[in-house]
Amino acid sequence: DTAVSQTPKYLVTQMGNDKSIKCEQNLGHDTMYWYKQDSKKFLKIMFSYNNKELIINETVPNRFSPKSPDKAHLNLHINSLELGDSAVYFCASSQAGTGYNQPQHFGDGTRLSIL
Amino acid sequence: ELKVEQNPLFLSMQEGKNYTIYCNYSTTSDRLYWYRQDPGKSLESLFVLLSNGAVKQEGRLMASLDTKARLSTLHITAAVHDLSATYFCACRGDKLIFGTGTRLQVFP
Repeated sequence: DTAVSQTPKYLVTQMGNDKSIKCEQNLGHDTMYWYKQDSKKFLKIMFSYNNKELIINETVPNRFSPKSPDKAHLNLHINSLELGDSAVYFCASSQAGTGYNQPQHFGDGTRLSIL
Repeated sequence: ELKVEQNPLFLSMQEGKNYTIYCNYSTTSDRLYWYRQDPGKSLESLFVLLSNGAVKQEGRLMASLDTKARLSTLHITAAVHDLSATYFCACRGDKLIFGTGTRLQVFP
């Protein structure tokens, strides 16, 4: 049973296109995240949602728009893709409240390549 | 703003040897995490350290936390090839901040 699943695993597209990445978790967590990992493996948070509400919004171009239809899903839509958007995007989830100190669980990543 | 630094960035070590990875962070925090990432794979949680002096061990890996020094260490004992991966520490303030990662390669 996959705890945090992302689709697609690979995404190759041209500059200027719009694309979406989907994420679902079946852990019953109430907080979900999007991270970006660049070519040097540096990992940085982009967004965080708690119970469908945006709680962290880092300095990310507004071409990136997260959407959380329910607490088990957090999707990422990217408009007008640029070469610099090429990276691996990870979805993660964790539990707030008594589970606050527990580690975040990560998906397998979506490898986005912009041509 | 919380900053997290790891060293070394790259570590090539022989099987059977011991080594330590260091993780320094810039502001007060008592929540420190270690993750492992294999090439092309996801991040796997290794350790959660929640208090000063916390020490946790799993197999050949041992992690510790010194909140006064703002330092966590990941010690590798008698390295084996299967430990080859990238190791990240992450420190929690209002959000999780990751270190730069240490790419470990263990050779025969």
